[in-house]
Amino acid sequence: DIVMTQSPLSLPVTPGEPASISCRSSQSLLQTNGNTYLDWYLQKPGQSPQLLIYLASNRASGVPDRFSGSGSGTDFTLRISRVEAEDVGLYYCMQALQSPFTFGPGTKVDIK
Amino acid sequence: QVQLQQSGPGLVKPSQTLSLTCVISGDTVSNNNDGWAWIRKPPSRGLEWLGRAFYRSKWHYDYAAHVESRIAINPDTSKNQLSLHLHSVTPDDTAIYYCAKTRALGQGIVSWGQGTLVTVSS
Repeated sequence: DIVMTQSPLSLPVTPGEPASISCRSSQSLLQTNGNTYLDWYLQKPGQSPQLLIYLASNRASGVPDRFSGSGSGTDFTLRISRVEAEDVGLYYCMQALQSPFTFGPGTKVDIK
Repeated sequence: QVQLQQSGPGLVKPSQTLSLTCVISGDTVSNNNDGWAWIRKPPSRGLEWLGRAFYRSKWHYDYAAHVESRIAINPDTSKNQLSLHLHSVTPDDTAIYYCAKTRALGQGIVSWGQGTLVTVSS
């Protein structure tokens, strides 16, 4: 299985400031069709997870444009341009290249 | 708008079978474009992919290695629902279980059920 790692695992943030989370996969997530199969999810407290980013850099429907995804191959980054209080929760990257899909360990984002 | 409504017992005894159901509305379990997955969140760990079923002229299944020997995901086209059966459970299977819709072509997990907390305890 493809192993996913994230850093940091805990990220205290200040509202209005930027924040970023890194994700690394044990093998390249680039498929021969040119797509990179990496998603980002946010699980807010008490809620089901929600899709933020798919195919490494595509924002899902309804996701604010302060969220952006970048990266290629095995190294990826989720950026929040200006953190808002509602952004707290657990952030996960997930590879969707190869079954079974696998998640990173999660990054807990909370307000300083 | 797809809605996934989960149901099932919140308490299961060790060595027994955990069974959950996910009723799908606003979509069809046998559509040729998407897949239907079960994912869980144990109390002190991150999200864990359990497996999925998807229809491409026939049903296909894939399961995570750590549960492959004791899991079954069953689609029911007559009731438009998906079920999860996890056999021989232990306290380590205690988690919030989610059913979810996965889009084809890498477009992500776009819909999630409300989650069901299942505790494995005698």
